[in-house]
Amino acid sequence: DIVMTQTPLSLSVTPGQPASISCKSSRSLLHREGKTFLYWYLQKPGQPPQLLIYEVSNRFSGVPDRFSGSGSGTDFTLRISRVEAEDVGVYYCMQSIQLPLTFGGGTKVEIK
Amino acid sequence: QLVESGGGVVQPGGSLRLNCAASGFIFSSYGMHWVRQAPGKGLEWVAFIRPDGSNKYYEDSVKGRFSISRDNSKNTLDLQMNSLRAEDTAVYFCAKGDSGGHYGVDFWGQGALVTVSS
Repeated sequence: DIVMTQTPLSLSVTPGQPASISCKSSRSLLHREGKTFLYWYLQKPGQPPQLLIYEVSNRFSGVPDRFSGSGSGTDFTLRISRVEAEDVGVYYCMQSIQLPLTFGGGTKVEIK
Repeated sequence: QLVESGGGVVQPGGSLRLNCAASGFIFSSYGMHWVRQAPGKGLEWVAFIRPDGSNKYYEDSVKGRFSISRDNSKNTLDLQMNSLRAEDTAVYFCAKGDSGGHYGVDFWGQGALVTVSS
């Protein structure tokens, strides 16, 4: 199974300030067809996860442009350019290059 | 929209069947997953079924106990859970595969709570 390692475990951010979350995979997520299968989700309190970013850097429909994803191979980053109060929750990375799908342990983001 | 039902409290060794009703998209065109989340814990993938139901895949700890199925005529996804254990206690999410042609997930249901306890 591919192990996904997220850091940090938690973040406390002042509104309007940037935030960054790292995700590393135990093997490359680059598929032979050229796509890289790394996803980012936000799970707000009491809600199911919601897709933010797919295939490393593509924002899902309706996701604000303050969210961006980057990386390649085994190292990936989610950035929030200016954190807002509605961004609180737990962020997860996930690989989908192979089954079983595996997730990072989560990064809890709170507002200072 | 994905709406799960069928959760509840069951004794160890018991069975439960979860159902997911899908709407708002062409159900028969997408693979579907079940993903679970134990109380206060992270996300754990459980099972996947291809759009036409031809292939099914399971997480090792549920193989032989859980069975995923779908009815494309009714736009429903099921998870039959047998020989339940305390460690199966979790919220179970029905999740829609994305259009990338691989195993990505782009939409999740609200979840159904399964509690295995005597």
